[in-house]
Amino acid sequence: AQTVTQSQPEMSVQEAETVTLSCTYDTSESDYYLFWYKQPPSRQMILVIRQEAYKQQNATENRFSVNFQKAAKSFSLKISDSQLGDAAMYFCAYRSAEEYGNKLVFGAGTILRVKS
Amino acid sequence: DAGVTQSPTHLIKTRGQQVTLRCSPKSGHDTVSWYQQALGQGPQFIFQYYEEEERQRGNFPDRFSGHQYPNYSSELNVNALLLGDSALYLCASSSDRGLRNEQYFGPGTRLTVT
Repeated sequence: AQTVTQSQPEMSVQEAETVTLSCTYDTSESDYYLFWYKQPPSRQMILVIRQEAYKQQNATENRFSVNFQKAAKSFSLKISDSQLGDAAMYFCAYRSAEEYGNKLVFGAGTILRVKS
Repeated sequence: DAGVTQSPTHLIKTRGQQVTLRCSPKSGHDTVSWYQQALGQGPQFIFQYYEEEERQRGNFPDRFSGHQYPNYSSELNVNALLLGDSALYLCASSSDRGLRNEQYFGPGTRLTVT
């Protein structure tokens, strides 16, 4: 079974600064997807960024980028130019590309606080 | 275009009772997944429905059951409620026909068992 670990329960960043959230995962599969989701206090889970395991190039979405290290099974999220609206719970998630279905396996989450 | 909707928003039940939660998927989506999110934790996968059949199931007891209707909407039923069933229940929809097959989440139903 796959597992996802987020070792930082809480992180803080000053507005306009850069912060990196860590995620490691365990799997015996070679084909999979990794995601970062954001859950603001309003509860609605929002997809931030996605990475296909077969792609060596790290995904980027505007101020959000990832550092995907497949051999180390590491998948960190970097948020540049942090904004107050980035404050939320962030979840790292894994999805198999080898199983039938697209269930997500989530980590425990990291609370990100943004200071003005 | 309406996204994923869930009802009710909040629910309070007594231990031993039964509850039904409802989910309408995003337009064009045919797959519905349910997750349980305890306070301060990550969502845990309960099960997934596709073509009115349970396609995947997580490590949840048989007290948790579901259904998917021909219009792709779905229900989550929990029998014999326990205090530990108190959580936010998230529904997510996706399209098996889509290339990216990503899940879109609803706002959730907050269930409190007393």
